[in-house]
Amino acid sequence: QKEVEQDPGPLSVPEGAIVSLNCTYSNSAFQYFMWYRQYSRKGPELLMYTYSSGNKEDGRFTAQVDKSSKYISLFIRDSQPSDSATYLCAMSAGQGAQKLVFGQGTRLTINP
Amino acid sequence: DADVTQTPRNRITKTGKRIMLECSQTKGHDRMYWYRQDPGLGLRLIYYSFDVKDINKGEISDGYSVSRQAQAKFSLSLESAIPNQTALYFCAVGTDTGELFFGEGSRLTVL
Repeated sequence: QKEVEQDPGPLSVPEGAIVSLNCTYSNSAFQYFMWYRQYSRKGPELLMYTYSSGNKEDGRFTAQVDKSSKYISLFIRDSQPSDSATYLCAMSAGQGAQKLVFGQGTRLTINP
Repeated sequence: DADVTQTPRNRITKTGKRIMLECSQTKGHDRMYWYRQDPGLGLRLIYYSFDVKDINKGEISDGYSVSRQAQAKFSLSLESAIPNQTALYFCAVGTDTGELFFGEGSRLTVL
């Protein structure tokens, strides 16, 4: 069993829809949770960074962490075609990226 | 100009050849990383370095070596390339809180 599980999709939704992307994990020591967005032929870019449980909002994006369920989510409101990308979750037990474990990514397409 | 620059962006080579992928950065952080990305496997860490005299193996270092020539330069070498090293390779620069800034990737094909 992988430490971090992420449905690879693909996920296709109409423009304006609310998108929910999710990851589950098995290591209860994980405390730092991130979401990266990767456009085709580009490197991943950090979208959201949260520590421990709770919600964090940034514009149309909301990251949610439920440590009791070992489940994290990324919500995208009012989705746009420019949000079409692969979204990767990543998490670690300590600060520093050397212990970061990535999900395999969910490919998302927003249809105009 | 990109903060993290990788060269070459694309390379096709033959089994047994030596290949070097280069990375330079202007982010000003000390921590640098090499990852490979494969479909269905996500990003996996090959090597990382916290400063010029510090080199550490990652999850999948076998068949690879690295050199940290300067604070801003970190190279990945494949001494004798094999077909299962065909992948997309990313260099990244990291902060001490774990945020990563990635280059645009180097696509390597080993025939």
